[in-house]
Amino acid sequence: LAKTTQPISMDSYEGQEVNITCSHNNIATNDYITWYQQFPSQGPRFIIQGYKTKVTNEVASLFIPADRKSSTLSLPRVSLSDTAVYYCLVGDGQSTGNQFYFGTGTSLTVIP
Amino acid sequence: ETGVTQTPRHLVMGMTNKKSLKCEQHLGHNAMYWYKQSAKKPLELMFVYNFKEQTENNSVPSRFSPECPNSSHLFLHLHTLQPEDSALYLCASSQGAGGYNEQFFGPGTRLTVL
Repeated sequence: LAKTTQPISMDSYEGQEVNITCSHNNIATNDYITWYQQFPSQGPRFIIQGYKTKVTNEVASLFIPADRKSSTLSLPRVSLSDTAVYYCLVGDGQSTGNQFYFGTGTSLTVIP
Repeated sequence: ETGVTQTPRHLVMGMTNKKSLKCEQHLGHNAMYWYKQSAKKPLELMFVYNFKEQTENNSVPSRFSPECPNSSHLFLHLHTLQPEDSALYLCASSQGAGGYNEQFFGPGTRLTVL
């Protein structure tokens, strides 16, 4: 059973806000939600992490509803350089099992 | 520069060859990982090491043999590979093991099996 489900792809124009939603219906009490960004032929890079409510950093915001069964990554005013694959990951401190299920991710294309 | 280096960056090998991939992290982390990413496929976990001990083997064929001599170094020994093993192999490290620890990825080794 997949831990996370995301849209396969999204398109957006430059300067717009982009929201990518991830479903994680079976999230456990101790699980955190982490988002990564990956450019072609590179390893993923950490963007943001949260447990509940809202988290914001210099590049993105993460919205998590009270039931925590989904989360939304918000990228403000995207630019062409934000074209990448975005993954959400749920997990706790265990080192076994499907802690590291990145899934298919969401391929974001930013259009000029 | 993520603090995780991988060598070689590109590797071409025949099915009868034996080669090794090397990963080194300069972050003082305790957990290290090998991932495989085939063309247009999801990132796939292969192995997890925590404090030099293997804690996860994600049903990886025995032609892939990991080695973790210390917390800073991780190797992936390859022998009698198949063409379908051609992929980008990524190494990562994190302070602790587990999905909630931020993982730092290396640039990857692009492997082609002829």
